[in-house]
Amino acid sequence: SQKIEQNSEALNIQEGKTATLTCNYTNYSPAYLQWYRQDPGRGPVFLLLIRENEKEKRKERLKVTFDTTLKQSLFHITASQPADSATYLCALDMRDYKLSFGAGTTVTVRA
Amino acid sequence: GAVVSQHPSWVICKSGTSVKIECRSLDFQATTMFWYRQFPKQSLMLMATSNEGSKATYEQGVEKDKFLINHASLTLSTLTVTSAHPEDSSFYICSARESGANHPQHFGDGTRLSIL
Repeated sequence: SQKIEQNSEALNIQEGKTATLTCNYTNYSPAYLQWYRQDPGRGPVFLLLIRENEKEKRKERLKVTFDTTLKQSLFHITASQPADSATYLCALDMRDYKLSFGAGTTVTVRA
Repeated sequence: GAVVSQHPSWVICKSGTSVKIECRSLDFQATTMFWYRQFPKQSLMLMATSNEGSKATYEQGVEKDKFLINHASLTLSTLTVTSAHPEDSSFYICSARESGANHPQHFGDGTRLSIL
């Protein structure tokens, strides 16, 4: 069965630095991959979607890459701010538009 | 745009009670809605897919008689937890997506269900 792994459970980073999160998957070839942000006690908020034929996608200070050969996506937050502190989830599309989520990486940005 | 409203946000009730949770897409039509469950420090687990005008599709291990889903319109899906017990206590989250390929799912803010 497919497996999704996000590299670390927690990431602590100094304000202004770049946070890099990893999402690896096995036994599957998704047509696209999504990244979400989740704050405690809230639902996930959609950030970026990247298709299998796209190498990179950007949105403001966020950048996502998608390497279908390595079966890996990297999520970067540049010039990080304390307000970026949250849990970030990667999700792979399954058939019938379902999503399968990774366990998430909790990012803490220190002022 | 793409706002999904979920209600109620928090429910505490006695064991044996049935609880209904509503999920509405406010500014788009959602032919498909999804219901998830999330335990503390764990990721979202898909429970079922709700299709407007047809029966819901449940994931393996999810009891359809326990978790009743109704998707009566393009903007509303409901999840009813029937005869809830303490082990049903969890964070339930819905999502909705617009029709067509490559549209993301947009999530409600979840319902914290506590069964005493």
